[in-house]
Amino acid sequence: QKEVEQNSGPLSVPEGAIASLNCTYSDRVSQSFFWYRQYSGKSPELIMSIYSNGDKEDGRFTAQLNKASQYVSLLIRDSQPSDSATYLCAVNIGTYKYIFGTGTRLKVLA
Amino acid sequence: DAGITQSPRHKVTETGTPVTLRCHQTENHRYMYWYRQDPGHGLRLIHYSYGVKDTDKGEVSDGYSVSRSKTEDFLLTLESATSSQTSVYFCAISADMGEENIQYFGAGTRLSVL
Repeated sequence: QKEVEQNSGPLSVPEGAIASLNCTYSDRVSQSFFWYRQYSGKSPELIMSIYSNGDKEDGRFTAQLNKASQYVSLLIRDSQPSDSATYLCAVNIGTYKYIFGTGTRLKVLA
Repeated sequence: DAGITQSPRHKVTETGTPVTLRCHQTENHRYMYWYRQDPGHGLRLIHYSYGVKDTDKGEVSDGYSVSRSKTEDFLLTLESATSSQTSVYFCAISADMGEENIQYFGAGTRLSVL
């Protein structure tokens, strides 16, 4: 059974701090990894994709991938109350097939 | 929204009745998906399609059927709805972005089976 594990949270951080969200996956052959943000009552929206070991930065967001440890993380710098949402980790497990973690709920405190 | 429209957006129905949810896309994507999302379970794949009349089961396909007679439409049918099928249903497409393929989601359908 291929799995994606995330801490459900809530993860609470003060405004302006760095939020760190983590995800582990079981399928060693996975090559593509994604972070989605989902506001309550809304659909998931893509924030970042990452394919290579190391860091990938986009604005305030940094995705980090370590394939040897089967670990992917998302850092949000200068967290804002508008970042409060559930963050879903997704892993590509084959041709156009994906599995999702249950999500981590982030609360940014003003 | 990547040109994805789901209908209806909300539906309340009774146990034992048939229900069809529609997903319509405007950008000719080959791959389309149906997921359900429940608290504690995250997004779980019901069925997916890789072309007209080409579909396959996901991890939670029991009680659901799908059809894709046109590239732009992917229908999810609950033949006889049960209370356990109360959920939020998301349609998704997989878009090729250079060497990447990325999933984009519709707005979702909230289904209540009473």
